[in-house]
Amino acid sequence: KAGVTQTPRYLIKTRGQQVTLSCSPISGHRSVSWYQQTPGQGLQFLFEYFSETQRNKGNFPGRFSGRQFSNSRSEMNVSTLELGDSALYLCASSLRDLTSATNEKLFFGSGTQLSVL
Amino acid sequence: QKEVEQDPGPLSVPEGAIVSLNCTYSNSAFQYFMWYRQYSRKGPELLMYTYSSGNKEDGRFTAQVDKSSKYISLFIRDSQPSDSATYLCAMRQVSSGSARQLTFGSGTQLTVLP
Repeated sequence: KAGVTQTPRYLIKTRGQQVTLSCSPISGHRSVSWYQQTPGQGLQFLFEYFSETQRNKGNFPGRFSGRQFSNSRSEMNVSTLELGDSALYLCASSLRDLTSATNEKLFFGSGTQLSVL
Repeated sequence: QKEVEQDPGPLSVPEGAIVSLNCTYSNSAFQYFMWYRQYSRKGPELLMYTYSSGNKEDGRFTAQVDKSSKYISLFIRDSQPSDSATYLCAMRQVSSGSARQLTFGSGTQLTVLP
């Protein structure tokens, strides 16, 4: 069974640009969560999507947005990039949505390493 | 103060040693406790998953949860160079909404020397 796939693996952008990251969950998984990982802040929750609906959102500015398609694939968009957006962006999938399932396990992809110059 | 505190290390041990990794937390509502292993340039991989207090063993790995002390541990027996990675603890509440999202520790970097 294929794991969580994230594309691209690496991205270099300049300040002010926008970027779109893609995530394909494990087959059969319907929930996709996004996390930002930086050396200083660790892993921080961005948002969760289930059945094409955003279920939860972390404490990030509106420049960070996402969506989920009917095949459960998800995209994350960051507009007007800032230097501080440089990070590893991780996608995780689970079978059910985290707001209703108490013991759901998350499986992570390898991430997209975004560098903003 | 962060909800979950984890010593970042780095921690270096010789091959075959017993490794102890720890996290403390402040939120008594956390009920699910996890340990993830993250190799360089990879995403976190789920190692252990426990509910409430107690011990759980899986091969060379043992996870312990002490809710009264708000303290969780991961023990690695007979450590191998392939265990060299960053180990992240993570926790979840049993409540509604965003509180069900994972809260992570900052990770402990472990190196097992051959």
